[in-house]
Amino acid sequence: GQQLNQSPQSMFIQEGEDVSMNCTSSSIFNTWLWYKQDPGEGPVLLIALYKAGELTSNGRLTAQFGITRKDSFLNISASIPSDVGIYFCAGHPRHNSGGSNYKLTFGKGTLLTVNP
Amino acid sequence: DSGVTQTPKHLITATGQRVTLRCSPRSGDLSVYWYQQSLDQGLQFLIQYYNGEERAKGNILERFSAQQFPDLHSELNLSSLELGDSALYFCASSVGDSFSGNTIYFGEGSWLTVV
Repeated sequence: GQQLNQSPQSMFIQEGEDVSMNCTSSSIFNTWLWYKQDPGEGPVLLIALYKAGELTSNGRLTAQFGITRKDSFLNISASIPSDVGIYFCAGHPRHNSGGSNYKLTFGKGTLLTVNP
Repeated sequence: DSGVTQTPKHLITATGQRVTLRCSPRSGDLSVYWYQQSLDQGLQFLIQYYNGEERAKGNILERFSAQQFPDLHSELNLSSLELGDSALYFCASSVGDSFSGNTIYFGEGSWLTVV
């Protein structure tokens, strides 16, 4: 199946620092989504991207849909302790155009730890 | 709170047993999805139902089955359980079937431990 390579696997940062993580694929994706999962919770959608080159912000979070449609990044500015969690990228491969949401493919996640 | 409700939150059972996980989608959502999350495999799609009918299958084992009832709630049945089936099982829902403009909302998951 489709593979999404998400990096880094984990990050340890100080409160106030900016964070960047990314996802790449060998094939073209039609959508890119970024989720955050807190311990004991399900993934929560942070940002959805639908067009190549699209840059979208949600508070301190900014994500971009790569122009090649094979990558996306998520930036978190001025991190705070509650940013701790696992961040997942996800996307719909191009051949799924108009099809079911089931082909939403997830990356393995980036574990973010923020030291106060 | 995503509006997707899953029960039970935690379950411990022995190998060879059978369990049923239950999911109530968000009000108005017709699609229900089941995902399995494990440390080594990440989030893996299992199966999708739309308005009571199976829509798509992912990496679901033959020992597993699911259904969506007329009231749109769904159950995932896991039988002949093996140690490797220990994982977090998520249910998710969305309004429609197409990905266009559709957001998938996840429940809090059911943590299954097989001993």
